[in-house]
Amino acid sequence: EAGVTQFPSHSVIEKGQTVTLRCDPISGHDNLYWYRRVMGKEIKFLLHFVKESKQDESGMPNNRFLAERTGGTYSTLKVQPAELEDSGVYFCASSQATGSNSPLHFGNGTRLTVT
Amino acid sequence: AQSVTQLDSHVSVSEGTPVLLRCNYSSSYSPSLFWYVQHPNKGLQLLLKYTSAATLVKGINGFEAEFKKSETSFHLTKPSAHMSDAAEYFCVVSKSGYQKVTFGTGTKLQVIP
Repeated sequence: EAGVTQFPSHSVIEKGQTVTLRCDPISGHDNLYWYRRVMGKEIKFLLHFVKESKQDESGMPNNRFLAERTGGTYSTLKVQPAELEDSGVYFCASSQATGSNSPLHFGNGTRLTVT
Repeated sequence: AQSVTQLDSHVSVSEGTPVLLRCNYSSSYSPSLFWYVQHPNKGLQLLLKYTSAATLVKGINGFEAEFKKSETSFHLTKPSAHMSDAAEYFCVVSKSGYQKVTFGTGTKLQVIP
């Protein structure tokens, strides 16, 4: 079984540019989550999809961030325009069902550096 | 509301000696608790989870953790450290039955040969 896959693994962009991160969840997993770890801080929740619908986007920092999951398969997270404080590691996770008995499977993350 | 505190940002042990990574949680409801590990350039891997069944939970790679409600703790232990255990470990809490989790700040484990 292929795991959660994230592209790219690293991205370096200049302030003001746009970046799009992609996450391919495990096949058949309806739940998809985005988390972020800013340098030196804890990993924080960004949002949660159930299939193509946003279930909870309470963690999205501001309107420069846009997440989509068209068709309920892969998801993208776009940052436009990027700011210095957006630098960090962005993790995607998926699960088969909600409930803590269905654990989250994480990808390797995308390391974003904004200069 | 829920939170976790990982009491040590760095822990260093000698190979073959016991490992103790400390975690205290705060939750206004019955929690589920997890430990995840991240090796360099890898994703987060689930080590073990507590979901209100047995308080002593055994995980992968010889790790285990004990849920102590009276102490609001969920410390991670291993009897004998191996070089491959060097990684960053995260204590994680969620409301029981929910997947929106809250991470601790992480503990980096160094294993000295």
